[in-house]
This record gives sequence, C-alpha cells and structure tokens, in this order.
Amino acid sequence: DAKTTQPTSMDCAEGRAANLPCNHSTISGNEYVYWYRQIHSQGPQYIIHGLKNNETNEMASLIITEDRKSSTLILPHATLRDTAVYYCIVRVGNQGGKLIFGQGTELSVKP
Amino acid sequence: DVKVTQSSRYLVKRTGEKVFLECVQDMDHENMFWYRQDPGLGLRLIYFSYDVKMKEKGDIPEGYSVSREKKERFSLILESASTNQTSMYLCASRNQGFQPQHFGDGTRLSIL
Repeated sequence: DAKTTQPTSMDCAEGRAANLPCNHSTISGNEYVYWYRQIHSQGPQYIIHGLKNNETNEMASLIITEDRKSSTLILPHATLRDTAVYYCIVRVGNQGGKLIFGQGTELSVKP
Repeated sequence: DVKVTQSSRYLVKRTGEKVFLECVQDMDHENMFWYRQDPGLGLRLIYFSYDVKMKEKGDIPEGYSVSREKKERFSLILESASTNQTSMYLCASRNQGFQPQHFGDGTRLSIL
C-alpha cells in the first residue's frame, strides 16, 4: 500500500493561497490521490482527487508531479473556515477500497 | 450533492447494551463503510458492504456486526457495548471504481 507523508502543521494568511504538499513515492500506476479535510468534531469532507493530470474544482486545485511521487493541494484564497486537518490519501486498490488516513496536515488560517 | 446521514451526533449507552448506529445515503451508492476514529489512531475500518446483504470485515470487526437490508441503509451493531468502544463512528459511501468516499458527520458514542 502506498503511504503518504505530509507536514504536521502549516499556517496561512487569510486571503492568500494555501499550498499543502504530500509525498507518495511508492504510489503504483493505477492508484489515485485523494484529498480530504476534517474540521473538528465533523466527518471528513471530500475535496478533490486525481490520477496524473492536474485537477480543479470549486474548492481547490490538485497538482500532481509528472512522476506521480508527490502532489500539492492548493486552496486559492484561504478563509478562516478552511482551518482544518487536511489528509492526502492514496487509494488502496482492492474491492473494498478502504481509505487509509495518515496524520494529515493541520492548517491554521490566520487573519 | 451527496448526502450521508447518521442517525445521531451524540449517543450515551451503558456497558452490555446492544447499540444500533444507522447510516443512510441518498446517492444510490453500491459501497458503504463504517469506520471508527480515535485520537492518535486515525480512522480504522470496521466493516464495509459492496451490495445489499453483502458485507466484508475490515481491520477491527471484533465486537461489531453490520446489516444492509436496503441499498441506502447500512447499520452498525455493537452486540454488547464495552467501554473500549467509546469512539467517534463514521459512515461513508461511494460508487464503484475510484469514485471518492463521502462521509457523514459522525456519531460520538460514549459507553459508560
């Protein structure tokens, strides 16, 4: 199973872009990268996922390097409500498809 | 938007009770999951189901059972609750393939 490595914590100024890195050097060719976030006392919220191309949706952008060994989640204009723990996950490729959540990055958006 | 609804946000039960946690999704997803989340241990998979009446054990199934009689509903049952089952319980669902899982808001269960 591919593992992920993320910084433990990051700070970002309100209104600025938040760039959250993730290393997944052992990812295999058919595994996707998923990003979730979890605000205290709530369930994880899906943000975005991708295989090898860059992806964008209304919440964020996902940049995956060409060798797929790392990725970056970009929140283009961070707000205080984006303060959360962000998880980068590589999908386990079996029928069940469980997600393995690591420790994640605790993002603090400051005014 | 996908909606995964868990029946209770907070629940307090006593040791030895039989506890039912309910989860309903409204997107006709084939796959449903039950996790528990504990500080320092992350999310751990208890059971999952890939079809009606089908179930598979996850990493920590001991002390739990599940039921999936209808596609939209997945129930987690604590047969005889114990204090070490005090935890945050999270239900998720997803479609086939590599579609993302969508989570409910969780049930914080305390066993006294």
